[in-house]
Formats: sequence, C-alpha cells, structure tokens
Amino acid sequence: KAGVTQTPRYLIKTRGQQVTLSCSPISGHRSVSWYQQTPGQGLQFLFEYFSETQRNKGNFPGRFSGRQFSNSRSEMNVSTLELGDSALYLCASREAGGRETQYFGPGTRLLVL
Amino acid sequence: SQKIEQNSEALNIQEGKTATLTCNYTNYSPAYLQWYRQDPGRGPVFLLLIRENEKEKRKERLKVTFDTTLKQSLFHITASQPADSATYLCARDTGTASKLTFGTGTRLQVTL
Repeated sequence: KAGVTQTPRYLIKTRGQQVTLSCSPISGHRSVSWYQQTPGQGLQFLFEYFSETQRNKGNFPGRFSGRQFSNSRSEMNVSTLELGDSALYLCASREAGGRETQYFGPGTRLLVL
Repeated sequence: SQKIEQNSEALNIQEGKTATLTCNYTNYSPAYLQWYRQDPGRGPVFLLLIRENEKEKRKERLKVTFDTTLKQSLFHITASQPADSATYLCARDTGTASKLTFGTGTRLQVTL
C-alpha cells in the first residue's frame, strides 16, 4: 500500500495570508490527524477527522481548521498567518476500530515571512 | 495536563554499544506508550507500542520497558549502528487513540 502523502512539501507565505495543506491517508484508513512540529514546542496535536467529522481537537486558535472528504482525504487551513505558524505540519492516518498505531506522512514545511 | 518528558536532548554512543533513551510521564498512567523514529525532514515512523500491563516489549534489536511505579519508559537499541542515528520520540495516549502527546525527542548519534 502507498503511504500517507502530503502536498505541497514546501510552502512560503507572508503574514496575513492563508494556506491550505492536503493529506491523503493510507488506503482504507478512515482517521486522519494533524500535528504541528516546531523546534520549541515539538509535536503538538491539532485535530483529528474521522468519517468527515472532527472528532478531537487540540489547543490551537480558530485560525486553524480542517475538513475531511468522503474518500478520507483531508485538508487543513490556516488563516491570517503569523510568523509563529512556521512549522512542519504532519498528518497521520490510522485504521478505525481502536488500532492505535498512526502512520505519518512526510510533512509540509511552511515558512511564514 | 498529561506531560511527557525525554530527559536527554542528545545522546552520543559508539557503534556496537546499547543506547538507552528515557521517557518520563506525569499524572495518570497512560494506557500505552509509543516510540517513534524521526529522520531529518521526514515524518515520524512508528517503532513499538507498550501497554500499561506489559513490562517489556521487543522487536529485533529494540526493547521497550514500562515501569508504572517510576512513571517511566526506557527504549533500548542493542548493537547500535550508525544507521540508527535519528531522533527518537515517545508518545503517550491521552485517553483518545489519535490524540497523542509527544515528548520533544532525543537525538541519537551513533559513531564508528
């Protein structure tokens, strides 16, 4: 099976802009989670989508949002970008039914200038 | 909040030795702990999961222990190789399978 894919891999934006990142989970996986990774804070959970519904949410402002489509692909959006949003954004997919192992994609490196 | 700490930011060892990485958690005991490997510029790769009722788990040269009394997990790589050089992350569940809390990672460097 193909792994988790994320597009784009790299992105440069300026403050105030918005950005949309995409994630395609492993075939058959219905849960997609998003994480932000920065040198200072490490990996932090953003949110999880399952069957097109947000199931869990981390402690991030409302500027961070996401959605999931019927084919389980997911997008996350960050509006009104701030310098501090520069990070590696990772998505992870997981089988449903209580299987805990998450499979991460390669990430999207976002730089906000 | 459930915190998780990896004491060493970096660990340098010689090839062939055993690397031991530490992960400590606070508050209630997690149902399980997971260990991941992350190479620069790439996403974490799952290595091992150990449940609270398990003392030890092994996979090839990897061994993980879980001590609920000490609130600690140890991750061992035996007969380490330069290819083992990477950042290793531990993660705990938060009561929700997908919502993991990660430690900041330990960067392991194995030299010849």
